[in-house]
Amino acid sequence: TQLLEQSPQFLSIQEGENLTVYCNSSSVFSSLQWYRQEPGEGPVLLVTVVTGGEVKKLKRLTFQFGDARKDSSLHITAAQPGDTGLYLCAGGREYGNKLVFGAGTILRVKS
Amino acid sequence: SAVISQKPSRDICQRGTSLTIQCQVDSQVTMMFWYRQQPGQSLTLIATANQGSEATYESGFVIDKFPISRPNLTFSTLTVSNMSPEDSSIYLCSVEGTFSYEQYFGPGTRLTVT
Repeated sequence: TQLLEQSPQFLSIQEGENLTVYCNSSSVFSSLQWYRQEPGEGPVLLVTVVTGGEVKKLKRLTFQFGDARKDSSLHITAAQPGDTGLYLCAGGREYGNKLVFGAGTILRVKS
Repeated sequence: SAVISQKPSRDICQRGTSLTIQCQVDSQVTMMFWYRQQPGQSLTLIATANQGSEATYESGFVIDKFPISRPNLTFSTLTVSNMSPEDSSIYLCSVEGTFSYEQYFGPGTRLTVT
């Protein structure tokens, strides 16, 4: 079973601070997705990374895929209360359609 | 990305009854997925539903408890049968995106069993 370890589990920070969420595995993934979920809603896809060493930026969010495609990180600069939510990483396998989800990180940004 | 709707959005059901959750997509998709999620926690895949074939269930989930229908390329249902309080959860459907490794999710159905 391919597992994705996500950390931290919970993060409470002040508006304007920076933060990083990590997703690690001992297995190689062909792709890595990051989702954000708000209460009462389904997860929303933020980004997909597929190439080892790839870095993608989405406004204040920076996503990185490890060189060996076993880990990924999400960095948020100058967090805002609107960033509050559950962040989930999910790994895709080379063959098949199923995703392996991390345990999730609950982010709370206080104003 | 596809627009996905689920019905009902939430329900409170009595122990021993069954509830059918509907998932509607605004475009034709090959693969649909059903997940279960406790609030604030990760997603657990229940089954994969491919149109025209039997659903494929993950370990720990059986067809008698969670029968799935997939009558066409835009619709699927998940039934939670003979419910117990342990079935209280959020049930989410998702569809495969343009790239097979991407999934797009519906808003979820929050089920409470009393």
